[in-house]
Amino acid sequence: DARVTQTPRHKVTEMGQEVTMRCQPILGHNTVFWYRQTMMQGLELLAYFRNRAPLDDSGMPKDRFSAEMPDATLATLKIQPSEPRDSAVYFCASGRGGTGRSGNTIYFGEGSWLTVV
Amino acid sequence: DAKTTQPPSMDCAEGRAANLPCNHSTISGNEYVYWYRQIHSQGPQYIIHGLKNNETNEMASLIITEDRKSSTLILPHATLRDTAVYYCIVRVEANAGGTSYGKLTFGQGTILTVHP
Repeated sequence: DARVTQTPRHKVTEMGQEVTMRCQPILGHNTVFWYRQTMMQGLELLAYFRNRAPLDDSGMPKDRFSAEMPDATLATLKIQPSEPRDSAVYFCASGRGGTGRSGNTIYFGEGSWLTVV
Repeated sequence: DAKTTQPPSMDCAEGRAANLPCNHSTISGNEYVYWYRQIHSQGPQYIIHGLKNNETNEMASLIITEDRKSSTLILPHATLRDTAVYYCIVRVEANAGGTSYGKLTFGQGTILTVHP
């Protein structure tokens, strides 16, 4: 089965350290999303890309977060410096361009569980 | 994207049908109704989506009212493994400006608990 792959699955880091999360979208998908989930806020969209170009990153704290797609098979989300309030599950998702029933379903990875102490 | 309203929680007996309602009274003509679920500690899982016709797949059925202001997700024979948070989302698949292309906006969802 094709799936979105995220690494690392779990990360514990100290405040102030840089954290990089990686995502391999499903082959052939040209839209990639980053979501963050916490108990308080639920699932929030941080940023998303289409054809590797950022479409919207308004949900992302700009001072410490950055998202990139170095190539079509890799998306990265970086936090520098990390803070305890960044502790959350970070989900990557991908979808294929197209409208209607032709298939613009978005598929999620299993998440990267981040704890900043 | 239009807002959805779901009950915060529901219970269902194992083997019975689970009917999860969703209101989306401000839905626009180009917005689809999507359902996802999230089982504890996993990523959201796609279930089904539709525009105005009823839809069925191997996981569930989706019934959309004629005015499209509400819908119901039906799990025909719920099992314990269907215990999860179910999200109803209305979504523009693409717009001319591309600024809201395909994004999913999650609400709080419905916590479905299936009992033995």
